[in-house]
Amino acid sequence: SQTIHQWPATLVQPVGSPLSLECTVEGTSNPNLYWYRQAAGRGLQLLFYSVGIGQISSEVPQNLSASRPQDRQFILSSKKLLLSDSGFYLCAWIGIGLGMNTEAFFGQGTRLTVV
Amino acid sequence: AQSVAQPEDQVNVAEGNPLTVKCTYSVSGNPYLFWYVQYPNRGLQFLLKYITGDNLVKGSYGFEAEFNKSQTSFHLKKPSALVSDSALYFCAVRDPAGGSYIPTFGRGTSLIVHP
Repeated sequence: SQTIHQWPATLVQPVGSPLSLECTVEGTSNPNLYWYRQAAGRGLQLLFYSVGIGQISSEVPQNLSASRPQDRQFILSSKKLLLSDSGFYLCAWIGIGLGMNTEAFFGQGTRLTVV
Repeated sequence: AQSVAQPEDQVNVAEGNPLTVKCTYSVSGNPYLFWYVQYPNRGLQFLLKYITGDNLVKGSYGFEAEFNKSQTSFHLKKPSALVSDSALYFCAVRDPAGGSYIPTFGRGTSLIVHP
């Protein structure tokens, strides 16, 4: 079965420090991968999505970047964190091989607090 | 373009009573519709989806949703609410005619079930 792993679960980082959040998927190949940010426990803001290795689309200009070094690995990064980067980050995937009607599967999320 | 609206920020219901969480959508063609649930500090979990066929869709944990094309709605329902149903609920839409694998999520509705 397909599973998605996201870590770490919580992270406290000082302003100006770098960031690396990792997401990996098991049990599928060539998934579409997504990074979302959720502020204040409400709506989801799409940050990046990727349809394949090395292919990254950015939805919102910001202090973050994403990379997809392997088919089932999606990384969210920052060189210097800002206070406004605090939030709940979620990784998700949709298996395009299963057709467009497939639901999204989400990781457990990372609670990032920038201090 | 695709969009989805959840008109209620919060829904309060007594345990044992029926519950409804509202969702309306806008797409150019026939929509793919989804409901997800999120518990505190967790990722979203898939509840149910409508792709085609019977307008009444049954999902996990006793939830169901009714697709109403004329009213462009996909309300989530449960005949008898449990305290454990208290969570954040997200409606999502995807427009297959638009060719995008990116779902659009609503802002979320907080469901509070009182004992």
